[in-house]
Amino acid sequence: QVQLVESGGGVVQPGRSLRLSCAASGFTFSSYGIHWVRQSPGKGLEWVAVIWFDGSNKYYADSVKGRFTISRDNSKNTLFLQMNSLRAEDTAVYYCARDWDENRRVSYFFDFWGQGTLVTVSS
Amino acid sequence: ELVLTQSPATLSVSPGERATLSCRASQRVSNILAWYQQKPGQAPRLLIYGASTRATGIPPRFSASGSGTEFTLTISSLQSEDFAVYYCQQYNDWPTFGGGTKVEIK
Repeated sequence: QVQLVESGGGVVQPGRSLRLSCAASGFTFSSYGIHWVRQSPGKGLEWVAVIWFDGSNKYYADSVKGRFTISRDNSKNTLFLQMNSLRAEDTAVYYCARDWDENRRVSYFFDFWGQGTLVTVSS
Repeated sequence: ELVLTQSPATLSVSPGERATLSCRASQRVSNILAWYQQKPGQAPRLLIYGASTRATGIPPRFSASGSGTEFTLTISSLQSEDFAVYYCQQYNDWPTFGGGTKVEIK
């Protein structure tokens, strides 16, 4: 069955960096676009970034552009999110989510989600 | 940014009753809208996409309709496992989510 397992969350001070990982299994990882979506009590659900099936295209929400970098390693079925210059407002549960479209396109809605990893930015 | 407004914020319903949830978009999104269910401590689960198409494995008591700016999710006869928070999401533009409707036991 499809599984997405996030890791790498924790408590970090403002201005510091953190790298999240998402290990995928149960499907052909290299055929799907994958997203990061975050959820915080104050801002609800917020789409963060997407990477195309082959890593050729990457897009970001304005709130993280220039600070976060999405990447993937298809040989290891793993997605990453490098988060730099972290701010208090980045505090959230971060989910990796599979794009619905299996045909090497991106439809921007999500058919499977991981359980999430909590990132807390606090001094 | 395209804003989605869900109403009501909380809906109190008895098991077996019908629940109707609304989602309004600040701009037209055609039928490019999805619905998700989220239970405490769990990730969201895709219910509906294309405004009215049930995702794989979603029971027929879940139905949805709408186009343009007004959308509705209906749960025809609430089961115990349906009490949760429901979110709409548009993907006509960069994805955005509504604030959610909590369906609680009356």
